[in-house]
Amino acid sequence: GQQLNQSPQSMFIQEGEDVSMNCTSSSIFNTWLWYKQEPGEGPVLLIALYKAGELTSNGRLTAQFGITRKDSFLNISASIPSDVGIYFCAGYGGSQGNLIFGKGTKLSVKP
Amino acid sequence: SAVISQKPSRDICQRGTSLTIQCQVDSQVTMMFWYRQQPGQSLTLIATANQGSEATYESGFVIDKFPISRPNLTFSTLTVSNMSPEDSSIYLCSVEQGTDTQYFGPGTRLTVL
Repeated sequence: GQQLNQSPQSMFIQEGEDVSMNCTSSSIFNTWLWYKQEPGEGPVLLIALYKAGELTSNGRLTAQFGITRKDSFLNISASIPSDVGIYFCAGYGGSQGNLIFGKGTKLSVKP
Repeated sequence: SAVISQKPSRDICQRGTSLTIQCQVDSQVTMMFWYRQQPGQSLTLIATANQGSEATYESGFVIDKFPISRPNLTFSTLTVSNMSPEDSSIYLCSVEQGTDTQYFGPGTRLTVL
């Protein structure tokens, strides 16, 4: 089946640093979603992208839908301790038609 | 976005027993889904809960093991039957609102001894 390759798997950064993570696929997706999951909680939707090339911001978060429709990235600027969590990309489209999830990027922020 | 609640939030169960998880949404939604998240892993779709008809299961998941009910547009249940320790996971329901956008409940953390 379709797979999303999400990287990096984990990141350890200093408070104030910028963060970048991305997802790639060999298949085309029609929608890219980015979620954040904190321990003991369900994933919370951060940003939704619906058009190739679309660049969308949500506060300190910025995400882009790649032109080829096979990739997306999420940037977090000026990280703070509450950014800690696991970030998942997810894509809709292609042969399966269901929402496919990446394996997640675990973010740790040192104060 | 819809407000989604799940009950129970967590449970510890004995092997061989069954647990029913409830998902309640504060507004009517057409599409509801059930996911499993094994420890330290990503989310895997179990099934789509269809209102008024049988759920649509993904490869590797069967109705006898994970029976699902969807009596109306705001409620669904997932039962994990004849549990074994391998069923220890977080079970999440989600709803689709708008185009291709899913929102998740807080999850049910299940431990099977």
